[in-house]
Amino acid sequence: DIQMTQSPSSLSASVGDRVTITCRASQGISNFLAWFQQKPGKAPKSLIYAASTLQGGVPSKFSGSGSGTHFTLTIRSLQPEDFATYYCQQYDSFPPTFGQGTKVEIK
Amino acid sequence: EVQLVDSGGGLVQPGGSLRLSCAASGFTFSNYDMHWVRQVSGKGLEWVSAIGSGGDPYYPDSVKGRFTISRENAKNSLYLQMNSLRAGDTAVYYCARGVAVLGGSWYFDLWGRGTLVSVSS
Repeated sequence: DIQMTQSPSSLSASVGDRVTITCRASQGISNFLAWFQQKPGKAPKSLIYAASTLQGGVPSKFSGSGSGTHFTLTIRSLQPEDFATYYCQQYDSFPPTFGQGTKVEIK
Repeated sequence: EVQLVDSGGGLVQPGGSLRLSCAASGFTFSNYDMHWVRQVSGKGLEWVSAIGSGGDPYYPDSVKGRFTISRENAKNSLYLQMNSLRAGDTAVYYCARGVAVLGGSWYFDLWGRGTLVSVSS
């Protein structure tokens, strides 16, 4: 199985900050990468697929980049509703696998 | 509203069984591959099973032979029959809608809120 490693595991940021989360794959996955946001007690929400394509309705403050083994999720101008845990997921091969998550907390 | 509502979780003893359900609404359920993904408390996400729009099931080795995924398109419903449950199966189980990718597997564009399964004596 392809291993997905996110960094950092958690970060503290202030409202208005720009944050970047990194996701690395144990082998090349082209651009078959998705990002999700999860808040406590809520359903995960799909943000991005194909490494950089926003799901419908997702604000453009979220952006994704990368290909191969190295990917990033950037959130511009962090707002209170953005404090959550973010996960990456590869779908290049079977089975689909996830990163361990990055918790974005309020500083 | 496009949504998935999962249910059926609870406390079960090791070796016991449980059946999870997922009710879909707001989209053409029969057109989509559907999945179960679980999350151990405080840990990451693990894909548990999938069923294609045509009914073909898929499982990881960790649950193969113990879990059975099924669907009932007429009722817009997805199920997961879990047998021979172990403590390690304790998790929140999410129903998810999958988007299949040619040459790859799936990403998930719609999720339920999850149902908690606790396996303990």
